[in-house]
Amino acid sequence: AQKVTQAQTEISVVEKEDVTLDCVYETRDTTYYLFWYKQPPSGELVFLIRRNSFDEQNEISGRYSWNFQKSTSSFNFTITASQVVDSAVYFCALSDRAGSYQLTFGKGTKLSVIP
Amino acid sequence: DGGITQSPKYLFRKEGQNVTLSCEQNLNHDAMYWYRQDPGQGLRLIYYSQIVNDFQKGDIAEGYSVSREKKESFPLTVTSAQKNPTAFYLCASSIDGTSGYEQYFGPGTRLTVT
Repeated sequence: AQKVTQAQTEISVVEKEDVTLDCVYETRDTTYYLFWYKQPPSGELVFLIRRNSFDEQNEISGRYSWNFQKSTSSFNFTITASQVVDSAVYFCALSDRAGSYQLTFGKGTKLSVIP
Repeated sequence: DGGITQSPKYLFRKEGQNVTLSCEQNLNHDAMYWYRQDPGQGLRLIYYSQIVNDFQKGDIAEGYSVSREKKESFPLTVTSAQKNPTAFYLCASSIDGTSGYEQYFGPGTRLTVT
């Protein structure tokens, strides 16, 4: 069965520090997709990135970067030079054929950036 | 602007009453979804629909019902059979539901049942 584990329940950092959010997934499929979403205090989930299982290249978007490693079944998310606006709950999710391509979410990591 | 709207933002009901949550999208997406989120928890799938007039149960469909009469609309009814209906409900849509496309979410509805 599909499973996503975000072992860090809550993280606090001081503004301008770098922070990495961990995500470990389980799937038996060879074709699957991984996602990160941000949920600010307002509640709406904001899509950040989608990565398919055949593309292990790391991706950078501004202060955000993602490290996908199939060897360790991990898809970690790093925020560089964190800002107060980064404070939110971040969810990692998996979509695969065995799950009918529905999203399986981790329980989320609450990030607090302290000014 | 394209997007997903959910109304109302906050909803209060007495126990024993059915309540319907609205979800509308103008993204021309085929697939739509309903999730439930409880405090400190991830999202759990209630129902999803990949095409008009068709929908499937998710992981926690008991006590809920849906309809998909129009591509743009996917209302969720929380029935009196749902034992713990108080939660945050999120609606989402994607281009289609069969190929791992990203889902886009609405602002959510906080339902409180007393």
